[in-house]
Amino acid sequence: RKEVEQDPGPFNVPEGATVAFNCTYSNSASQSFFWYRQDCRKEPKLLMSVYSSGNEDGRFTAQLNRASQYISLLIRDSKLSDSATYLCAVNMGSTLGRLYFGRGTQLTVWP
Amino acid sequence: DGGITQSPKYLFRKEGQNVTLSCEQNLNHDAMYWYRQDPGQGLRLIYYSQIVNDFQKGDIAEGYSVSREKKESFPLTVTSAQKNPTAFYLCASSRGVNNEQFFGPGTRLTVL
Repeated sequence: RKEVEQDPGPFNVPEGATVAFNCTYSNSASQSFFWYRQDCRKEPKLLMSVYSSGNEDGRFTAQLNRASQYISLLIRDSKLSDSATYLCAVNMGSTLGRLYFGRGTQLTVWP
Repeated sequence: DGGITQSPKYLFRKEGQNVTLSCEQNLNHDAMYWYRQDPGQGLRLIYYSQIVNDFQKGDIAEGYSVSREKKESFPLTVTSAQKNPTAFYLCASSRGVNNEQFFGPGTRLTVL
């Protein structure tokens, strides 16, 4: 089983729609979780961290489900500018750890 | 401005030549990373370093080498032993290995 898995999509949604992505992880000891956004031919940029209590930033909400070992990203009222690839990143709970990135989920918002 | 710089943005080399990609950060981060991204693919970790003068192999270290002589700098050398070096190379840094990582703008390497 891969350390981190994401549905690659693509997700094609109209402006104003609500869309959700999930990311499953294999190690129950994982402690750090993040969502990144990557535009075409650009570097990934940190979108938000995911806390146990959830995290909300404007139209974006991130949640953690430890029991089922996944994190989610919800985007409300989608904008054209939200079109990008969304990557999740998870550590594996070790002091010698590193982040493992999912392959990304591609989102296209159409007018 | 604090950040991570990578140079050059585009790099062309002939097959069989070694090439070194630069990565500098002024964020005072301890950890630094090198990733490779191929078209339509995710990030694959090449090497990472938690502290100066120490580094670990990632998932695809063969054909690459690194050094970490200064906290701010983590150069990557793509050697002639790397069979398919053409890719987008991303450098990142973080406060610690389990903290959020911040990426540089990347270097697109094309080997002709």
